[in-house]
Amino acid sequence: GAVVSQHPSWVICKSGTSVKIECRSLDFQATTMFWYRQFPKQSLMLMATSNEGSKATYEQGVEKDKFLINHASLTLSTLTVTSAHPEDSSFYICSARQRGGIQETQYFGPGTRLLVL
Amino acid sequence: SQQGEEDPQALSIQEGENATMNCSYKTSINNLQWYRQNSGRGLVHLILIRSNEREKHSGRLRVTLDTSKKSSSLLITASRAADTASYFCATDSSGSARQLTFGSGTQLTVLP
Repeated sequence: GAVVSQHPSWVICKSGTSVKIECRSLDFQATTMFWYRQFPKQSLMLMATSNEGSKATYEQGVEKDKFLINHASLTLSTLTVTSAHPEDSSFYICSARQRGGIQETQYFGPGTRLLVL
Repeated sequence: SQQGEEDPQALSIQEGENATMNCSYKTSINNLQWYRQNSGRGLVHLILIRSNEREKHSGRLRVTLDTSKKSSSLLITASRAADTASYFCATDSSGSARQLTFGSGTQLTVLP
């Protein structure tokens, strides 16, 4: 089956530093990848949608200069949290839609837990 | 934006009992999906029901969809302690973006 990985699985950083999270589709090509954020005991909130080779589309209220998304290849998308602050601490989850696959299916990564001190 | 509301927010039952969770949404959909999430983990896709379907089964799972009421339910029969998790509905709305919008989730606890 289609597998999506995320790296790192967890990260602790100091306030003001930048953190990069990778999302990879391991055995398929992903035309579209999605980034979600989940605060404790809450649901997943879509942050942005990225298509390979084009700029990401951000949801309302998500700062594109703070959350940089790069989808440079059909198997890799990265989310960089710039100048992270404690309020950015959250669980970040990516998902990928398979190129040529059933468009209604998204495959989710295991998530990355970010703690900003 | 958060479209779906789920109830109950939390549900605690004994092993062997059935668990029913409900989801309501606001806009037209292509399909509705149910996911499971163990604490601190990623999402596991459980079942997908299309807008032209009314009921679907998968093992111990039964999902219904009522598009006139914009609601869905997930029934887990003969629950097990291992079913303890958060359950989310997600709607795939009509339109070209094909984004998923997640409900608020139900925390299910199955007591042994």
